[in-house]
Amino acid sequence: SQQGEEDPQALSIQEGENATMNCSYKTSINNLQWYRQNSGRGLVHLILIRSNEREKHSGRLRVTLDTSKKSSSLLITASRAADTASYFCASPNTGNQFYFGTGTSLTVIP
Amino acid sequence: GAGVSQSPSNKVTEKGKDVELRCDPISGHTALYWYRQSLGQGLEFLIYFQGNSAPDKSGLPSDRFSAERTGGSVSTLTIQRTQQEDSAVYLCASSFGPLYEQYFGPGTRLTVT
Repeated sequence: SQQGEEDPQALSIQEGENATMNCSYKTSINNLQWYRQNSGRGLVHLILIRSNEREKHSGRLRVTLDTSKKSSSLLITASRAADTASYFCASPNTGNQFYFGTGTSLTVIP
Repeated sequence: GAGVSQSPSNKVTEKGKDVELRCDPISGHTALYWYRQSLGQGLEFLIYFQGNSAPDKSGLPSDRFSAERTGGSVSTLTIQRTQQEDSAVYLCASSFGPLYEQYFGPGTRLTVT
């Protein structure tokens, strides 16, 4: 069953603007992770936020977690053309399987 | 090695043939995952290995798919009697476990003609 669902499916912004992507999940989680994928190959881990954390920063990335709403958001500030990629959220379910959504495709226009 | 490696990077096979895909995880990682990604889609969980425990095969789409992990390290995903709908990128990832981030290999792009 799908655990993470990203929203929007596609996002296009101008370089320098901020990009916000949302993720909703279904079951209780221990942690939620965000990944980035370029050109349909391997994913790169961006940030992990644990269930007892509400906000986490890493460089230009800011992730929030609202366990009461079962949702998370990823904010990329001052976007660059190189940020163009697909972004996925994922978390382990009770069986320790990871389920990824279909992702948000971000296009940053130079 | 420095990261997760997968081989081959590309595989073209005829319908009905068997294929083997290989994954070399990061040394010391006890967890290993296989995923499948069709064009423009998200990742589909296939199978999960954790240490010496029995693997979680609940994501395998049919009995034509099998995987093993020898010595807690290298893993092989085997697809028997390939079908056109098996065409996808097969991704492998390893980690210290479900509470930790996953490190992905570059994937194997499988095309069944």
